[in-house]
Amino acid sequence: DQQVKQNSPSLSVQEGRISILNCDYTNSMFDYFLWYKKYPAEGPTFLISISSIKDKNEDGRFTVFLNKSAKHLSLHIVPSQPGDSAVYFCAASGPTGANNLFFGTGTRLTVIP
Amino acid sequence: NAGVTQTPKFQVLKTGQSMTLQCAQDMNHEYMSWYRQDPGMGLRLIHYSVGAGITDQGEVPNGYNVSRSTTEDFPLRLLSAAPSQTSVYFCASSYSAGYSYGYTFGSGTRLTVV
Repeated sequence: DQQVKQNSPSLSVQEGRISILNCDYTNSMFDYFLWYKKYPAEGPTFLISISSIKDKNEDGRFTVFLNKSAKHLSLHIVPSQPGDSAVYFCAASGPTGANNLFFGTGTRLTVIP
Repeated sequence: NAGVTQTPKFQVLKTGQSMTLQCAQDMNHEYMSWYRQDPGMGLRLIHYSVGAGITDQGEVPNGYNVSRSTTEDFPLRLLSAAPSQTSVYFCASSYSAGYSYGYTFGSGTRLTVV
């Protein structure tokens, strides 16, 4: 059963506007959440993360919000740029003693110039 | 600094053949792992290692073997390839302490089993 879900397989946004990518999780033991960005024929690259003790983390144009009660997180990209077009994966990990990550199925973001 | 290097980038196997996917990192990371990516399934963990000599199974380990004789290398062996193992395979590594740095992924191996 998928413990991390990204229910929107794709999203299209105009350049300059805000992109909002959503992610839901089912395991309340998850305590760390990450977003990865993936271009075709490349491996995923780490984008931004958030600990469960926070509800927001910001890095430049990227902000991740965490709502623990709803088991929901979102990635905001403002302003969106054509170079942001990629597949975005949400991932989560828990206090298992290892660094294993559980990934969502990804959302393909297309930023239209 | 090469990061995580995976070889080969592409491979076609016949059903029943065996092969080894190579993964090497030069960042002195203790943690290494193998994922497979299938359409509509995201990335699923196959095997992982928290240090040399220590390996464990992930979510989808059947049909795969791993070993970790050095910190740098973490090869993935397909014992008898099956069409269901057609996938893109990613190797990843990270520091053992905390998750702040996330994973560093290799560029992937696209495997087709016919």
